[in-house]
Amino acid sequence: DVKVTQSSRYLVKRTGEKVFLECVQDMDHENMFWYRQDPGLGLRLIYFSYDVKMKEKGDIPEGYSVSREKKERFSLILESASTNQTSMYLCASSLRDRGYYGYTFGSGTRLTVV
Amino acid sequence: EDQVTQSPEALRLQEGESSSLNCSYTVSGLRGLFWYRQDPGKGPEFLFTLYSAGEEKEKERLKATLTKKESFLHITAPKPEDSATYLCAVRPVVQGAQKLVFGQGTRLTINP
Repeated sequence: DVKVTQSSRYLVKRTGEKVFLECVQDMDHENMFWYRQDPGLGLRLIYFSYDVKMKEKGDIPEGYSVSREKKERFSLILESASTNQTSMYLCASSLRDRGYYGYTFGSGTRLTVV
Repeated sequence: EDQVTQSPEALRLQEGESSSLNCSYTVSGLRGLFWYRQDPGKGPEFLFTLYSAGEEKEKERLKATLTKKESFLHITAPKPEDSATYLCAVRPVVQGAQKLVFGQGTRLTINP
């Protein structure tokens, strides 16, 4: 019954590598979000998208970019990975506001940059 | 600035010992308040949405309540399987924005 799928649970990358985190949802949701979660800092919004080919910066977009070529898929790109991007990355989706039910989250990707 | 503060940061209870978690919020206008449960190494799982002051929602041993400035998650006679981090989030009334603002969470441990 998985509805938001993140491609990797654990990922180890080297400093300077280009990293792709993939997220796919099967609920036909318009909105998709990328958060990172760090101890003591909670969930912080990186980027979000309300529609295909549309993206908006969240609170901490520096060092990241996103791509949404299809409605069901939202990719987070780390252009040149750095150690301070070691974190848990969470993807979420939601319906456009016609009665708001909250986000559905994926299981998360724990990324370690060495 | 929209802000959510959860307290306590961590709470340890004995099985059967009831308690409450607090979520205080400051928003220009509230579109909704959300509670999530997060198990270690997993994504948050949706529990409740509250829309207006005075509203209450219940699910098993959990009951969420809402006032104009805060929400409480009451846990009655908890069991060890209720151990998790509980996250609170608000959706402010901002035209065109459908983002949530999250608190830092309360880590709840229930000892058998």
